[in-house]
Amino acid sequence: NAGVTQTPKFQVLKTGQSMTLQCAQDMNHEYMSWYRQDPGMGLRLIHYSVGAGITDQGEVPNGYNVSRSTTEDFPLRLLSAAPSQTSVYFCASSYSRSGAGELFFGEGSRLTVL
Amino acid sequence: SQQGEEDPQALSIQEGENATMNCSYKTSINNLQWYRQNSGRGLVHLILIRSNEREKHSGRLRVTLDTSKKSSSLLITASRAADTASYFCATTSGGSYIPTFGRGTSLIVHP
Repeated sequence: NAGVTQTPKFQVLKTGQSMTLQCAQDMNHEYMSWYRQDPGMGLRLIHYSVGAGITDQGEVPNGYNVSRSTTEDFPLRLLSAAPSQTSVYFCASSYSRSGAGELFFGEGSRLTVL
Repeated sequence: SQQGEEDPQALSIQEGENATMNCSYKTSINNLQWYRQNSGRGLVHLILIRSNEREKHSGRLRVTLDTSKKSSSLLITASRAADTASYFCATTSGGSYIPTFGRGTSLIVHP
């Protein structure tokens, strides 16, 4: 099993550009989520999903969109990138539909917005 | 907003010593988890402890939970250079089972 796979690992964008961070898991997990990690801030939840067709906002959702058309994939879209979105993004999944169990993390996507 | 806060922010020890880091939280929890993050990598789950449990062990790791003090501690015994990493606590509380992470403790173990 590959676990949670994130692509790309690194990306540089200019202000105003859009892009999609991809996340796929092969563990048949219902729960998937996106976090951003900034120095001194820990991990902050952006969006999460408890199953295909169901998404909800986390602590810092502004500027990001998500969709969940399949159990395996949970892409994160930046519609118009801003320098404040420079961060490391982590996708995580859990066998627990509520997210209460162990989270499995991807290796992260490092995004720089100029 | 952070629910759990780790202490200390940074810890530097010699190989073979024990490392203790703490997590304090504000509101009653459903469970508390500890994760490790090596530099440039994703987080890896270490231990989950439920609100009705007081202590759990996993190899060289020992986690305690004191709900009266709203705190948990992670003890790594006989530390190794490979234990060098950041350690995060994550709590779930109230009606939400979505984990909320603290800012982490950076542990450096010198060979």
